[in-house]
Amino acid sequence: DAGITQSPRYKITETGRQVTLMCHQTWSHSYMFWYRQDLGHGLRLIYYSAAADITDKGEVPDGYVVSRSKTENFPLTLESATRSQTSVYFCASRVDSFANTGELFFGEGSRLTVL
Amino acid sequence: GQNIDQPTEMTATEGAIVQINCTYQTSGFNGLFWYQQHAGEAPTFLSYNVLDGLEEKGRFSSFLSRSKGYSYLLLKELQMKDSASYLCAVMDSNYQLIWGAGTKLIIKP
Repeated sequence: DAGITQSPRYKITETGRQVTLMCHQTWSHSYMFWYRQDLGHGLRLIYYSAAADITDKGEVPDGYVVSRSKTENFPLTLESATRSQTSVYFCASRVDSFANTGELFFGEGSRLTVL
Repeated sequence: GQNIDQPTEMTATEGAIVQINCTYQTSGFNGLFWYQQHAGEAPTFLSYNVLDGLEEKGRFSSFLSRSKGYSYLLLKELQMKDSASYLCAVMDSNYQLIWGAGTKLIIKP
């Protein structure tokens, strides 16, 4: 039972480069999310998706692009990385059901450093 | 604006009881969550409250008062493995989670 996996787990890149963080889930959950976590801040939502081909902006979407062509995958792309995008990125998924609490299941995180 | 407040850090002794408070102001309310996050790991779900009152789950309990915009997480019989950050999150009227910055709990022997 792989659950939800992210890759790469660690990435160092340079300012201006394009970076893609991958997220894959095996549960067929409808909803998927990308968060960033920085010291002193709560988890901040970047983008989310309610289903394949449906995506929407979160709190901090600038500089990021997402796609969801298949239910199980939700990649996050930094088109031109900046130092302010140095962070830990978490992908999460959620069952869409009134019978469910709406709890999120998180991937292990991707630690990105932009030099 | 929407806001979740919780203490930045707390220290407690192994075997003792600790209460972590969370106050919130959000646009609507569709439930409050507590997550545990060990250093360098992903958050994991602890509890969910949507009605007022206390929910008990083993050594952990979570309380909610919607009229006061207040919740707490109570941890009993503290163990060293409980050293972690505890995140409070509220689901708003759009069913989006608003997160607090987390409370780092340090357990001393």
